[in-house]
Amino acid sequence: AQKITQTQPGMFVQEKEAVTLDCTYDTSDPSYGLFWYKQPSSGEMIFLIYQGSYDQQNATEGRYSLNFQKARKSANLVISASQLGDSAMYFCAMRNANTGGFKTIFGAGTRLFVKA
Amino acid sequence: EPEVTQTPSHQVTQMGQEVILRCVPISNHLYFYWYRQILGQKVEFLVSFYNNEISEKSEIFDDQFSVERPDGSNFTLKIRSTKLEDSAMYFCASSFRLAGAREDTQYFGPGTRLTVL
Repeated sequence: AQKITQTQPGMFVQEKEAVTLDCTYDTSDPSYGLFWYKQPSSGEMIFLIYQGSYDQQNATEGRYSLNFQKARKSANLVISASQLGDSAMYFCAMRNANTGGFKTIFGAGTRLFVKA
Repeated sequence: EPEVTQTPSHQVTQMGQEVILRCVPISNHLYFYWYRQILGQKVEFLVSFYNNEISEKSEIFDDQFSVERPDGSNFTLKIRSTKLEDSAMYFCASSFRLAGAREDTQYFGPGTRLTVL
């Protein structure tokens, strides 16, 4: 079964510090993509970062990096130098190339609070 | 930067009424999707659309729902007879490719908040 698990319902971080948001996934498909989306209080879903299952290196996009540990089936998001504007809900998501059809499946999300 | 747009941003309707939610996907994208998010819950897949037909739908997407691409730019979700439990945020998304690379990233619109009274 394809599944995304985010075990941290809420996280606090001090401004300017780094924070790691956990994500584990389950799939039998060898080809898949992992995504992180940010959902601020305004409600929109903002794409942050992508990691392909065959990518040799961890993905990075500015202050966002993805700690991809394939054997452990984890894809943790690392936000460096947190800013107040990073306060939002963060969703880990997955698409399976061969068995998942057309949909992206999402985890339950982690709400991040950045303290000044 | 191109983006997915959705209208209206908020729709209030009476139970039993029909609603149409509208989306304009990114112009060179080929795959279109609708998702919904009930308040405080996870994002759920509803339907995907490619080459002018539904390519996949979830169990949520019953006969009350339909999708259409009436012209070259718009993509709509119709709910024929709304129920209280249809109250949710509805997201449209589009992608260039189906799967296998970064290009299959689904980009989401800002959402339409549907409230059924």
